[in-house]
Amino acid sequence: DADVTQTPRNRITKTGKRIMLECSQTKGHDRMYWYRQDPGLGLRLIYYSFDVKDINKGEISDGYSVSRQAQAKFSLSLESAIPNQTALYFCATSDLHFGSPKSYNEQFFGPGTRLTVL
Amino acid sequence: DAKTTQPPSMDCAEGRAANLPCNHSTISGNEYVYWYRQIHSQGPQYIIHGLKNNETNEMASLIITEDRKSSTLILPHATLRDTAVYYCIVRPPLNNNDMRFGAGTRLTVKP
Repeated sequence: DADVTQTPRNRITKTGKRIMLECSQTKGHDRMYWYRQDPGLGLRLIYYSFDVKDINKGEISDGYSVSRQAQAKFSLSLESAIPNQTALYFCATSDLHFGSPKSYNEQFFGPGTRLTVL
Repeated sequence: DAKTTQPPSMDCAEGRAANLPCNHSTISGNEYVYWYRQIHSQGPQYIIHGLKNNETNEMASLIITEDRKSSTLILPHATLRDTAVYYCIVRPPLNNNDMRFGAGTRLTVKP
């Protein structure tokens, strides 16, 4: 079973519609993230959350909102979708590793949601 | 903008070593070098990370120059399944929000 799941995997919608993308994880991690990826480009951070009730804007948060309903769930909403929000969206989780010789935090990514706004 | 520079594409013969370079001349003393890869349009996958010493795991080796301004990811025996986009990222170890992906290097492993 996948540790990080995203629903839906594909979505086509129209301009002006409200869209919610959902992310769930079974890894028990506190930290969750939403990224978008445009064709030929790397991922850009939209929002992140280090714990329930903690929400932080990333590099490109305009036009998006998020909700951290529980440790395991982090949703991304587009209140009024526009065509330039057409992209591949990824959710990720991470946790801190203290006490090791080199503290690090690997991010684990979901399979992605392909969103098309017409 | 990303703090790293990578070639946009590289080819490698199957079974040979793939050496992927990354320049990070402005890296700070507490920043680690991370490598991720993305196969087709799947979610990125962690490969390896390091601070200043060379590192090796079951997937790859990471060679960091003494001045830490550049590094090389080595896939010792590349297979067709290693065809992917490889991202080099530098960031502080505990500042997990600052994961800046550049365009990466598209590695094509050829039979």
